[in-house]
Amino acid sequence: QVQLQESGPGLVKPSETLSLTCTVSGGSVSSVSYYWSWIRQPPGKGLEWVGHIYYRGTTNYDPYYNPSLKSRLVVTLDTSKNQFSLNLRSVTAADTALYFCARVNFNLRGYYYAVDVWGQGTTVTVSS
Amino acid sequence: EIVLTQSPGTLVLSPGERATLSCRASQSVSNNNLAWYQQRPGQAPRLLIYAASSRATGIPDRFSGSGSGTDFTLTISRLEPEDSAVYHCQQFGSLPYTFGLGTKLEIK
Repeated sequence: QVQLQESGPGLVKPSETLSLTCTVSGGSVSSVSYYWSWIRQPPGKGLEWVGHIYYRGTTNYDPYYNPSLKSRLVVTLDTSKNQFSLNLRSVTAADTALYFCARVNFNLRGYYYAVDVWGQGTTVTVSS
Repeated sequence: EIVLTQSPGTLVLSPGERATLSCRASQSVSNNNLAWYQQRPGQAPRLLIYAASSRATGIPDRFSGSGSGTDFTLTISRLEPEDSAVYHCQQFGSLPYTFGLGTKLEIK
């Protein structure tokens, strides 16, 4: 079955860039039936949708960024490595969270959406 | 953006009882495109329900979802100790997709 695995540094200094990669196995990021997503969970808080990316074919990608993060966030897709990545610049302590990569299936019963596959999550702490 | 309010914040019940969890949206969720997840401590969330009332693959029929528009409910019948978890609702009706803050269910 499809599995997702996050990787990246667990500690990032304030004002620097947080970079995470999600490696997909058992499936392809080139599939047109899924969004590839990042979701985060600050300590003791709820889940927050960070952003997602969709492969439209032939180097044509369609990213979406949460408006609250849009000015600092870039999500990319690498079909050759079957990975997608998150880069969040100018981080502060508020970006400290458990970061999940996840797959959104938007073809459930034809047009319903849900996150049907999650990575295990990786903790990122922003601190000097 | 759509704000989802989950209640109660914490629910303490005994094995065999029924749990009723609420998720209320600040505006109507398009097509009732709402999902529920279970998150046990130290684990990633797991999809339980999508389209407000459809069970995901492998989810026992003790879990059921209902509701439409702005009011949605997750019902767990015949509670078992392993149902202890935080339950999240999420809407896909409009961007940005948003989550509720979760309901913590304790089985004692």
